[in-house]
Amino acid sequence: DAKTTQPPSMDCAEGRAANLPCNHSTISGNEYVYWYRQIHSQGPQYIIHGLKNNETNEMASLIITEDRKSSTLILPHATLRDTAVYYCIVRAPRAYSGGGADGLTFGKGTHLIIQP
Amino acid sequence: EAQVTQNPRYLITVTGKKLTVTCSQNMNHEYMSWYRQDPGLGLRQIYYSMNVEVTDKGDVPEGYKVSRKEKRNFPLILESPSPNQTSLYFCASSWGQGIGEQFFGPGTRLTVL
Repeated sequence: DAKTTQPPSMDCAEGRAANLPCNHSTISGNEYVYWYRQIHSQGPQYIIHGLKNNETNEMASLIITEDRKSSTLILPHATLRDTAVYYCIVRAPRAYSGGGADGLTFGKGTHLIIQP
Repeated sequence: EAQVTQNPRYLITVTGKKLTVTCSQNMNHEYMSWYRQDPGLGLRQIYYSMNVEVTDKGDVPEGYKVSRKEKRNFPLILESPSPNQTSLYFCASSWGQGIGEQFFGPGTRLTVL
């Protein structure tokens, strides 16, 4: 899986859009970009994923650059409950080959703090 | 409600006393996985299971066992816990391996004295 780079922390005002960047310059053609978040010591929560087109769901939007070397997660109207660590993960589909670790690679992520 | 449940949520035990952390999912997922999370090390995969009776080692399997006798359950067994297994443990499940959304349980905080 390609490595990702995220800023360690970001602040955002409540009610504003939070834009979280992720750099994945070595991404391969079959690798998807996933975003998860973890609210203090809770289980990670899936947010969104995409391959090359922009994606939107009820939680967020994912914007992937045309060259796929970076992406941005957008939380359109951030609330205090969106304060969490956000992880950008790049991962290819796998065919089971009978062994080998295959866990999601959670880096250090971005600690997003929503300010009232 | 679709969910992954873990029990217990908190456990304090002593070195060498066998314990089991249960994990159950109600989404008919084939794929299940265990992670541990430690400060500064992030989440690391312990074991995973592609389906019933199919399990494989993750990055840090030493000191742990798992079984997958039923699709919905994937217990984590510590035969002889040691203090270095003090950690926050998460179970996860998904439809298949390596693609799509993984659902995580609420976590089990284990302390081994």
